[in-house]
Amino acid sequence: DSGVTQTPKHLITATGQRVTLRCSPRSGDLSVYWYQQSLDQGLQFLIHYYNGEERAKGNILERFSAQQFPDLHSELNLSSLELGDSALYFCASSAGGDRVYGYTFGSGTRLTVV
Amino acid sequence: LAKTTQPISMDSYEGQEVNITCSHNNIATNDYITWYQQFPSQGPRFIIQGYKTKVTNEVASLFIPADRKSSTLSLPRVSLSDTAVYYCLVGETGNQGGKLIFGQGTELSVKP
Repeated sequence: DSGVTQTPKHLITATGQRVTLRCSPRSGDLSVYWYQQSLDQGLQFLIHYYNGEERAKGNILERFSAQQFPDLHSELNLSSLELGDSALYFCASSAGGDRVYGYTFGSGTRLTVV
Repeated sequence: LAKTTQPISMDSYEGQEVNITCSHNNIATNDYITWYQQFPSQGPRFIIQGYKTKVTNEVASLFIPADRKSSTLSLPRVSLSDTAVYYCLVGETGNQGGKLIFGQGTELSVKP
């Protein structure tokens, strides 16, 4: 158990639908990062939040949005889903402060769009 | 952000030492070098991180030359369970908008 909790583990939904993925960071970590991993794209950085504020954006589609709540958990919202959105979605967290640290990843949410 | 280049795949045998080299010619002054390991359908796992010279932990060693344009992950005496994809990342992590960019990784296959 890495300490980063992602729910649900699996999600199957139809095209056009909207889903919410949830991430609870490791205790004490203020930063949350979201990544998408599909077979043909590898691990793609989506977005970074620190203590409730958006800090960096990657290749995140306009149909996707995220937020980090006061209790530091984060949610990734995916709307108007397409078949190509099927992928593993990982959340990672890191400690706060000025030093750099490695990320701790969760076990991911496998999204299947049918 | 500095781009990284590493071999797509490597083969090894149990008990051997494996060295995976990563090139990052455009590394910036504030960038750290971080290596992750990923098994199928699992999240990447942090292995080691360094800035310069040599770093060693219970799992691996990381060698970084003075110019920092490359780095080498060294796995001593690999076992079958070390079969995984290994990613070299360069970036300024932390909370100032840091984002680690994953490349294609090196798929290591350890054979008996």
